[in-house]
Amino acid sequence: EPEVTQTPSHQVTQMGQEVILRCVPISNHLYFYWYRQILGQKVEFLVSFYNNEISEKSEIFDDQFSVERPDGSNFTLKIRSTKLEDSAMYFCASRLAGGEQFFGPGTRLTVL
Amino acid sequence: KQEVTQIPAALSVPEGENLVLNCSFTDSAIYNLQWFRQDPGKGLTSLLLIQSSQREQTSGRLNASLDKSSGRSTLYIAASQPGDSATYLCAVRGILTGGGNKLTFGTGTQLKVEL
Repeated sequence: EPEVTQTPSHQVTQMGQEVILRCVPISNHLYFYWYRQILGQKVEFLVSFYNNEISEKSEIFDDQFSVERPDGSNFTLKIRSTKLEDSAMYFCASRLAGGEQFFGPGTRLTVL
Repeated sequence: KQEVTQIPAALSVPEGENLVLNCSFTDSAIYNLQWFRQDPGKGLTSLLLIQSSQREQTSGRLNASLDKSSGRSTLYIAASQPGDSATYLCAVRGILTGGGNKLTFGTGTQLKVEL
């Protein structure tokens, strides 16, 4: 069964460093998302991406964040200068038009 | 702004019991609603998707209902098993939010099924 994959499963970084989280959505899906979940809190929307551009972003998704679909398969989230409060589980999701969103297993980001 | 609430926050039941998890949302202008399961430290597994035009969906021992006008959904789990122990999340997808149609999540119900 097709699934969304994410790498790495766990990333530890120093405050101020850049990190890139990687996702491979399900191959025929058209809409791509990043969400995050701070420990003990709700899953929060960060950004949606369709037709090679951002279609919506939350107030969390400031200038320190960017997304890219560099080829036909990968979807990346970059955080330019990480802060302690960026520590969270980051989930990638994808869907077809009108369909349910399928989530990856997540990347746990720890900022020290 | 859409707000999603789930009650109860935690639930502990003996094996074999039927149970109901509740989800409410403030804006009834939704495209669909998904129920997810999340195991500790893990990703989100989609359980059921209900389109806004539907009243219920069933998958095995799970049945989800939707009353869009009153902003409510329930997830019914029949004959619960210890393997059902997890956090159950409800999420609604809005309409025409710039094309992205993000999901707005509730805080979840942490379920424990005891032997």
